[in-house]
Amino acid sequence: KAGVTQTPRYLIKTRGQQVTLSCSPISGHRSVSWYQQTPGQGLQFLFEYFSETQRNKGNFPGRFSGRQFSNSRSEMNVSTLELGDSALYLCASSMDEQGYNEQFFGPGTRLTVL
Amino acid sequence: GNSVTQMEGPVTLSEEAFLTINCTYTATGYPSLFWYVQYPGEGLQLLLKATKADDKGSNKGFEATYRKETTSFHLEKGSVQVSDSAVYFCALSSSMEYGNKLVFGAGTILRVKS
Repeated sequence: KAGVTQTPRYLIKTRGQQVTLSCSPISGHRSVSWYQQTPGQGLQFLFEYFSETQRNKGNFPGRFSGRQFSNSRSEMNVSTLELGDSALYLCASSMDEQGYNEQFFGPGTRLTVL
Repeated sequence: GNSVTQMEGPVTLSEEAFLTINCTYTATGYPSLFWYVQYPGEGLQLLLKATKADDKGSNKGFEATYRKETTSFHLEKGSVQVSDSAVYFCALSSSMEYGNKLVFGAGTILRVKS
């Protein structure tokens, strides 16, 4: 079974631009979560989508948004990029709506904002 | 709110040494507890988990026991190898929150010397 895939793996943008990151979950997984990883703040939860609906949201500004498609693939968008948005963005998928399910992580997208 | 505290690293050990990485948590309800490992340039891999008090998670020689009375989930391995060098994250998923949201500790860098 293929793992979680994220595209692109690396991205360089400039301040003020916007960016879209993509995540394809493991086949059959309906929940997709996004995390931001930075040296200063560590791993922080952005949001989770399940059956095309945002089910949970972390404490990030409205510039960070996401969506999920009917095939469970998810995208996250960051508008008006700031230098502090430079991070590794990780996507994770899990099987169903119950809690405590194992989350499988993708390799991440490394975003650099100049 | 929910939080996870890990011992700071880096932890540097010689091959075949005993490993302990301390993890304590604060959470409402009855969280599930996890240890994730991140190798350089990769995403997170689930190492082990425990879903209720006194459960012991184990995998690849690593073990951790869910101690409700001390709110701890310390990671141990009897004999580390150079290939265990990585960053280790303790995390929790709260039973009081709907869906899948992981709260991570800051991570502990482990370096094993041959």
